[in-house]
Amino acid sequence: EPEVTQTPSHQVTQMGQEVILRCVPISNHLYFYWYRQILGQKVEFLVSFYNNEISEKSEIFDDQFSVERPDGSNFTLKIRSTKLEDSAMYFCASSGPGGNIQYFGAGTRLSVL
Amino acid sequence: EDQVTQSPEALRLQEGESSSLNCSYTVSGLRGLFWYRQDPGKGPEFLFTLYSAGEEKEKERLKATLTKKESFLHITAPKPEDSATYLCAVQARRTGGGADGLTFGKGTHLIIQP
Repeated sequence: EPEVTQTPSHQVTQMGQEVILRCVPISNHLYFYWYRQILGQKVEFLVSFYNNEISEKSEIFDDQFSVERPDGSNFTLKIRSTKLEDSAMYFCASSGPGGNIQYFGAGTRLSVL
Repeated sequence: EDQVTQSPEALRLQEGESSSLNCSYTVSGLRGLFWYRQDPGKGPEFLFTLYSAGEEKEKERLKATLTKKESFLHITAPKPEDSATYLCAVQARRTGGGADGLTFGKGTHLIIQP
């Protein structure tokens, strides 16, 4: 069964460092998303991406964040200068041509020290 | 602003004891309501999507229903393996396409005791 793959599973970084979280969406999907979940809190939408551009972004997705689809298979989230409060689980999701059902990856746990 | 409220926050049941989880929502133009299951340290796993009031979906011991203001996830004769956090999310019609983000509730943490 096709699945969304995220790497790494756990990323530890120092405050102020740049991190790149990677995702391989399901192969025939057209819509891509990033969400985050701070420990003990709800899943929060960050950004959606379609046709090689950002389609929608939340208030959380400020200038420190960027997304890219560098090739036909990968979808990345970059945080330029990490802060302690960026520590969270980051989930990538993708959906097919209808854009309805979003399938999630297992997540990357980001720990900012 | 879209809002999703789930109740109860936690629920402990005996194996075989049926119950229902509630999801109340407010959204400007519902595109869809989604139920996901989340196990500890894992990503949300899709269960159901509902699009209009009156719609119902079933899968094994789970049944999801939708009204104009809330959704219920009914669990019949649960087993210990049904223990998980159940998340409700709504997708509003904003971008005109399929790229609208989901607004999640905090979830219901369900424990089924043998």
